[in-house]
Parts: sequence; C-alpha cells; structure tokens
Amino acid sequence: AQSVTQPDIHITVSEGASLELRCNYSYGATPYLFWYVQSPGQGLQLLLKYFSGDTLVQGIKGFEAEFKRSQSSFNLRKPSVHWSDAAEYFCAVGAGNTDKLIFGTGTRLQVFP
Amino acid sequence: GAVVSQHPSWVICKSGTSVKIECRSLDFQATTMFWYRQFPKQSLMLMATSNEGSKATYEQGVEKDKFLINHASLTLSTLTVTSAHPEDSSFYICSATTGEGEAIVSNQPQHFGDGTRLSIL
Repeated sequence: AQSVTQPDIHITVSEGASLELRCNYSYGATPYLFWYVQSPGQGLQLLLKYFSGDTLVQGIKGFEAEFKRSQSSFNLRKPSVHWSDAAEYFCAVGAGNTDKLIFGTGTRLQVFP
Repeated sequence: GAVVSQHPSWVICKSGTSVKIECRSLDFQATTMFWYRQFPKQSLMLMATSNEGSKATYEQGVEKDKFLINHASLTLSTLTVTSAHPEDSSFYICSATTGEGEAIVSNQPQHFGDGTRLSIL
C-alpha cells in the first residue's frame, strides 16, 4: 500500500532564507505526487503536482519540487521564504486505480523576521 | 475558478444533538466529493467518498450511522454528525472534484473547502 512520510514535524527559518521540506513516498509504480499548504483554520490549497515528465515541477507562490525516483522523494523547495509562507505543508500521494489521496503528517513552517 | 464553500465554518453544540455541515462547489459540478477529519496538529484522515446520486463509500473504522453523508446534487454534499459527543469534536474538511476514479488523482485534482470546526460541549 502507498504511504507518505514527512520526517520534519516543525521547521523554523528566517525570512529570506531558502527552504526545503522533505517528503518520501512508498509505492511500487510511478505515483502521482502533490504538495498542499494549509493556513490555520483553513482548507488545503494545491501548490503543485507531479504526474509524469519533467521531474522538476514548478508551482504557485514560487515553490518547486523535484521527483527523485531513486530516493522515493518529492521534496518541496523555495529559494527565499516570505513571512506569509508560514503554514502547514502536506505532501500527498495518489495511486492508479484509486481516487484517494494519502496525506503525510505535515510539516509546520515558522518564519522569523 | 474551482471554489468549494463549506458551511458553517465553526459550530458549537451540546452533546446529543445532530450537526449538519454543507459542502458546495460554487463554479463547477462535482462528480465526487470527499470528507476528511483532521485532529489538532495531525494529518487529514479520509472518512468517506461520495458520488452524486449514490451511497457514500466509507473508510474502514468510520461509522456510517454516525456520519451520514448525502450527495444529492452535483454541487452539494452534506455531512451530518448524529448524536454528537465530545469525542466527535474535530476539524472537518470537504473536497470536490469533477473527476471519478483514477482521473481524480491523475488530472482532476481535489479542491478543498475551508473546513468546519466542530466543538461538542
């Protein structure tokens, strides 16, 4: 069965610093991979998704993620973090023959001025 | 586009009452809607999948009689928490998509509502 692991529960960075949030997945075939962001008390917003093709995916708000099959990873990156990026970030995996997404446990990002 | 509205955003009620939460797709027809539950500082747990005009499919461990789901139209799904108790207090989030089956994860992503915070006293 597919699963998602986000090793970092909580990350703190300074505004303007670079960011990388880790995501590892478990699935036998090529998965569909997603990153969502959740602001406090709100629903989820899709940042980006990977289905196939170019392994470096560009998303909204200046985020990007790279699919690395050899490492079963789909890490989220941003070159320069803004204070408004403080939120909870969820990695998710979807598999063929299913309509479900499996979410990781999330990484809470704090941004200091 | 692809806006999902969830109502109410916050509800407090007494133990033993039933609470209905609405999930509406405002600018698209949602073939499939999902209901999730999220505990504080935890991930989303899928409760059920609903398709318009048919019975919802519940995940293992989710009580069907406790969490009634109705997907009466292509723009509206409701979750009713029956005889709610304090342990039902949680953040409930719906999502909607125009896809079915594999298409949902492959090219028709889920659009999420802003969630409903349910507090049972």
